[in-house]
Amino acid sequence: VKLVESGGGAVQPGKSLRLSCAASGFTFRSFAMHWVRQAPGKGLEWVAVISFDASNTYLADSVTGRFTISRDNSNNTVYLQMNGLRPEDTGVYYCARPFSGTYHDAFDVWGQGTMVTVSS
Amino acid sequence: EIVLTQSPGTLSLSPGERATLSCRASQIVPFIYLAWYQQKPGQTPSLLISGASRRATGIPDRFSASGSGTDFTLTISRLEPEDFGVYYCQQSGRAFGQGTKVEVK
Repeated sequence: VKLVESGGGAVQPGKSLRLSCAASGFTFRSFAMHWVRQAPGKGLEWVAVISFDASNTYLADSVTGRFTISRDNSNNTVYLQMNGLRPEDTGVYYCARPFSGTYHDAFDVWGQGTMVTVSS
Repeated sequence: EIVLTQSPGTLSLSPGERATLSCRASQIVPFIYLAWYQQKPGQTPSLLISGASRRATGIPDRFSASGSGTDFTLTISRLEPEDFGVYYCQQSGRAFGQGTKVEVK
């Protein structure tokens, strides 16, 4: 079971990035998927979740209106589209799988993370 | 939105000692929806306990969780050298606490 994030980088405030998380080793289409971020030297912040079939998405208040989560079950990939980036969005972004596949379960599998730096 | 507050911020203990970490929620959280994670420096977080004290694969029984309502506790009965790091509670699938650092005294 593996999650591999990509797409991070350094961008200026106001710009956009799209993160990807490629999943393998489990039945991806049966699992909700989450994004979690961690600012440098800080704690974990839950960012977004998407249901197994993409019919429902939920975002943290801090990113609502700027970020979108989506998925492609044919390619076992979940995405995080980040628009209107701000310096406070800087950090490592992890995708994570819930243990049972449902929204409200703990995360038993995490990717290695991808770094996003927002700075002028 | 539920807010989780962990205490203390830092716990300084010696190997072999007992560690007691607290997590307080701003609203009632069913115990089954409270999880604990460990993160060591430079590493990805890893699940310790979830779903009403269910230990994740490979987690030793010196780790235990308890609590109800808005007050929850993670206990490490006897600290081993590999247990030092930062611990987070989480309302499963949602908000995290700010973390408790367990450091060597």
